[in-house]
Amino acid sequence: GENVEQHPSTLSVQEGDSAVIKCTYSDSASNYFPWYKQELGKGPQLIIDIRSNVGEKKDQRIAVTLNKTAKHFSLHITETQPEDSAVYFCAASYNNNDMRFGAGTRLTVKP
Amino acid sequence: ETGVTQSPTHLIKTRGQQVTLRCSSQSGHNTVSWYQQALGQGPQFIFQYYREEENGRGNFPPRFSGLQFPNYSSELNVNALELDDSALYLCASSFYRGNSYNSPLHFGNGTRLTVT
Repeated sequence: GENVEQHPSTLSVQEGDSAVIKCTYSDSASNYFPWYKQELGKGPQLIIDIRSNVGEKKDQRIAVTLNKTAKHFSLHITETQPEDSAVYFCAASYNNNDMRFGAGTRLTVKP
Repeated sequence: ETGVTQSPTHLIKTRGQQVTLRCSSQSGHNTVSWYQQALGQGPQFIFQYYREEENGRGNFPPRFSGLQFPNYSSELNVNALELDDSALYLCASSFYRGNSYNSPLHFGNGTRLTVT
């Protein structure tokens, strides 16, 4: 089955700096790669996703890149703000079934 | 648009007991997935329901079972509770078109289960 590894486990940046979180996956059949943000006491919230037929996707300050050959994908957050502080999860699946999540990255943005 | 709602928000049970958790899908969604999230870890896939039938299952024992109702709401049942079942249980809904397309998962805020 799919195995997703996520790094780093914790990340601290200064407000305004960029943050990068990286994930690798094992199953070459995976074709859907979402990123979720989870705040304390809440469920994961989808922030951006990418399908295997594209290599990059951007939504304002957030971007995701996918390298299918190397089986890794990354989340890039630019101009970080204190409200970006949360736990971020990457995930991989084939068509959203049996979605496998990484262990999470706790991002802290210092004012 | 109504989001995914779960009940109850918190629950305390004793080892060996049984528990039922409930989930209402986001409007327009027809598929429900359940996840277990232990403290400090990522969500682990339990199973998915589509058209009232199980449509995929993770590495969880048979004492974890579920139902999906005609209105697309769902229940997760856990029998013979163990201490390790203590976790946040998350429900997520999506729209599956049956042609291998599945919309993104939208999660509820979960039910925090504590087994003592």
